[in-house]
Amino acid sequence: DAGVTQSPTHLIKTRGQQVTLRCSPKSGHDTVSWYQQALGQGPQFIFQYYEEEERQRGNFPDRFSGHQFPNYSSELNVNALLLGDSALYLCASSFSQRPTDTQYFGPGTRLTVL
Amino acid sequence: AQTVTQSQPEMSVQEAETVTLSCTYDTSENNYYLFWYKQPPSRQMILVIRQEAYKQQNATENRFSVNFQKAAKSFSLKISDSQLGDTAMYFCAFMKQPYPGNTPLVFGKGTRLSVIA
Repeated sequence: DAGVTQSPTHLIKTRGQQVTLRCSPKSGHDTVSWYQQALGQGPQFIFQYYEEEERQRGNFPDRFSGHQFPNYSSELNVNALLLGDSALYLCASSFSQRPTDTQYFGPGTRLTVL
Repeated sequence: AQTVTQSQPEMSVQEAETVTLSCTYDTSENNYYLFWYKQPPSRQMILVIRQEAYKQQNATENRFSVNFQKAAKSFSLKISDSQLGDTAMYFCAFMKQPYPGNTPLVFGKGTRLSVIA
């Protein structure tokens, strides 16, 4: 049983560019949440997708957007990249019918903005 | 809004010894869940232990146990018989009662634990 997978592992972009990160949830999970983890900090919630819609959103600008596909996989898009967007981006999956169950995390994508 | 505070940025412990990591949180919720996650250099966030606020009994998982003090809003993690593989960042996290659907985790800033041989 594959856990949560994310791609790519690392990414280097320049300011102003756009980036797309991908996440495949754990088998049986239908909800995907994205977190941003800056260096030396704890993860911060960006948004959550369920039934192909954004259900909840943290305090992040509209430059951060996402998408969920019918197979429950998800993308995180960031436009007009800033230096401050450099971080580890974590994806977590869960099952909507058992919301108190543990969320499982992927290994993350390390984004560096130059 | 909920906040989670981890006041120990770094800690170290000798192999086979016991160490306690501190966590306090602030919330007006009565029903919620608390977690300790471990993040080794591989970056994978791994659940160590969880506690439901409605349960008075402290959770234990093998060498890991918690001291949950609801009135004090304190949730510390005790690691017994520390092993070199316990070296990692440890994050305390809060989740309010889901209604409806899943709710996001709120994390502290983490404690870097080093186990010394």
